[in-house]
Amino acid sequence: AQSVSQHNHHVILSEAASLELGCNYSYGGTVNLFWYVQYPGQHLQLLLKYFSGDPLVKGIKGFEAEFIKSKFSFNLRKPSVQWSDTAEYFCAVKDSSYKLIFGSGTRLLVRP
Amino acid sequence: DAGITQSPRHKVTETGTPVTLRCHQTENHRYMYWYRQDPGHGLRLIHYSYGVKDTDKGEVSDGYSVSRSKTEDFLLTLESATSSQTSVYFCAISESRTGADTQYFGPGTRLTVL
Repeated sequence: AQSVSQHNHHVILSEAASLELGCNYSYGGTVNLFWYVQYPGQHLQLLLKYFSGDPLVKGIKGFEAEFIKSKFSFNLRKPSVQWSDTAEYFCAVKDSSYKLIFGSGTRLLVRP
Repeated sequence: DAGITQSPRHKVTETGTPVTLRCHQTENHRYMYWYRQDPGHGLRLIHYSYGVKDTDKGEVSDGYSVSRSKTEDFLLTLESATSSQTSVYFCAISESRTGADTQYFGPGTRLTVL
């Protein structure tokens, strides 16, 4: 069965630092990839998604992610984080079963 | 934000009691989902529905049942709650199940089983 790995469980950064959160999925074929964000006390919101075309996907709030098929990866990046980016970030994969499989999440703390 | 509400938002109950959580949507989306969120596990699918009276099991369905008598409502029932079901429960909706389709999440219900 498909699985998703987020290797960084906790990340602490200072404001203006660059961010990269890793996401790997277990096997190939046609996949659709998502990053969701959960701000403290809130529900999950979609940051960005990839389903075809340009492997570099731009999302909301200055986030982007790059799909590298050969590495089964979909890493999330932001060049300069803000205190308001403090949240938990979830990578998710949808394969031919059409079920959305989530990673375990990465908690990001941005220090002012 | 997608028009999804969940009730109750918080509940504390005792082991062995039945519990029903409600998800209500105003988007007229065909698909509805129940997930649970636990530390270190992300979100895991409990059950989903692909239409009125049409439901199927997800990854962690044991101990849970669901019903969907109207397009807008999807109920999750714990017939006899256990402490292992203490979790945050999220409802989600989507227009379809194709790969590119996005699931939108509700605000969550925090359930504590003592």
